[in-house]
Amino acid sequence: DIQMTQSPSSLSASIGDRVTITCRANQSISIALNWYQKKPGKAPQLLIHTASTLQSGVPSRFGGSGSGTDFTLTISSLQPEDFATYYCQQSYSPLFTFGPGTKVDIK
Amino acid sequence: QVQLRESGPGLVKPSQTLSLICTVSSGSVNSANYYWSWIRQHPGQGLEWIGYIYYTGSTFYNASLKSRVTISLDSSKSQFSLILNSVTPADTAVYFCARWDIPVAALDSWGQGTPVIVSS
Repeated sequence: DIQMTQSPSSLSASIGDRVTITCRANQSISIALNWYQKKPGKAPQLLIHTASTLQSGVPSRFGGSGSGTDFTLTISSLQPEDFATYYCQQSYSPLFTFGPGTKVDIK
Repeated sequence: QVQLRESGPGLVKPSQTLSLICTVSSGSVNSANYYWSWIRQHPGQGLEWIGYIYYTGSTFYNASLKSRVTISLDSSKSQFSLILNSVTPADTAVYFCARWDIPVAALDSWGQGTPVIVSS
């Protein structure tokens, strides 16, 4: 299976901050990378697919980039509703493994 | 807008069988565009893919669970199900059903999740 790592595992930020989360695969996955947002007690929500394509209805402050093994999720201006855990996921080959998550909380 | 909803017992005894159903509304499970999937989240941990089923009935399972898991599809009821045998407390988790959109290559719709506790 393809292994995914994320950094940092958690971060504290303030409203309006620019936040960057990194995801790395242990082999090249081209642009086969998704990002999800997960809040406690709620279902995960797809934010970005194929590394940089914003899912319909997702605010434009979310952005994704990268290819190969290194990827980034950026929140340009953190909003109160963005405090959550973010997961990357490779869609290159089954099993479509997830990263361990990055928890974003309030500073 | 497709909706998915998990149902099943919230408490299962060790060594017994966990059985969950996902009901799909406002959408068809007979589409060639989707894999119908089960994912779980252990308490305080990340997301683990259990497996998925295609409308043809073909399945793919997480190797770590393959000997104990079965996913099946009932298109007449617009449902798919998860069976996990010989459960242990390590199977305590929130179980989600979700739809993998094949062209998009992502899980674009999820159920709310159902908590399952394995305990005597």
